[in-house]
Amino acid sequence: GEDVEQSLFLSVREGDSSVINCTYTDSSSTYLYWYKQEPGAGLQLLTYIFSNMDMKQDQRLTVLLNKKDKHLSLRIADTQTGDSAIYFCAESIGDYKLSFGAGTTVTVRA
Amino acid sequence: GAVVSQHPSWVICKSGTSVKIECRSLDFQATTMFWYRQFPKQSLMLMATSNEGSKATYEQGVEKDKFLINHASLTLSTLTVTSAHPEDSSFYICSARGRERSNEQFFGPGTRLTVL
Repeated sequence: GEDVEQSLFLSVREGDSSVINCTYTDSSSTYLYWYKQEPGAGLQLLTYIFSNMDMKQDQRLTVLLNKKDKHLSLRIADTQTGDSAIYFCAESIGDYKLSFGAGTTVTVRA
Repeated sequence: GAVVSQHPSWVICKSGTSVKIECRSLDFQATTMFWYRQFPKQSLMLMATSNEGSKATYEQGVEKDKFLINHASLTLSTLTVTSAHPEDSSFYICSARGRERSNEQFFGPGTRLTVL
């Protein structure tokens, strides 16, 4: 995960928007991903973006990609208590292997 | 669709024993399966990549004789931790990729291994 960096914690009030940021290093990454992990569980693919796109929106989720700065963000609109989890950013590193960041723990407070 | 299961979900074993973990793709054919290890509050570390019918490719620093991987069919891969020791205690997660939507990896729920 050393090639992908994320902030470790985010606290957000219920109903507000959450923004999770990520930087990566491999400019040849084809796809960039966001996964969600709830306690004691595996990873759930939330969304991904192809490297030639700037933005992708899927219901409450918006992914922004700045390829020049190698910066990826995930915005969750109207954050709910069920959104509390660890969110992992990942980049594809050839042959579809994934390199993960350390994960951002999102805590939603009432 | 795209469900991956793992069995067992947790296992406790004595030091020196071997433990086998299964990873199955339930509703698609997995041409490639990946095995990861996750330490508490840390990221996933890729251990190896396995393609059906061929030998697994291990990441640097991962002992292939310690972590035996078999990808016998398009829906099943197994990871055997041989002669387990307490430092092998960890959360092991598999993922699978199919021919269609090959840019997506679907993850299993993980297996918690505790070696006493």
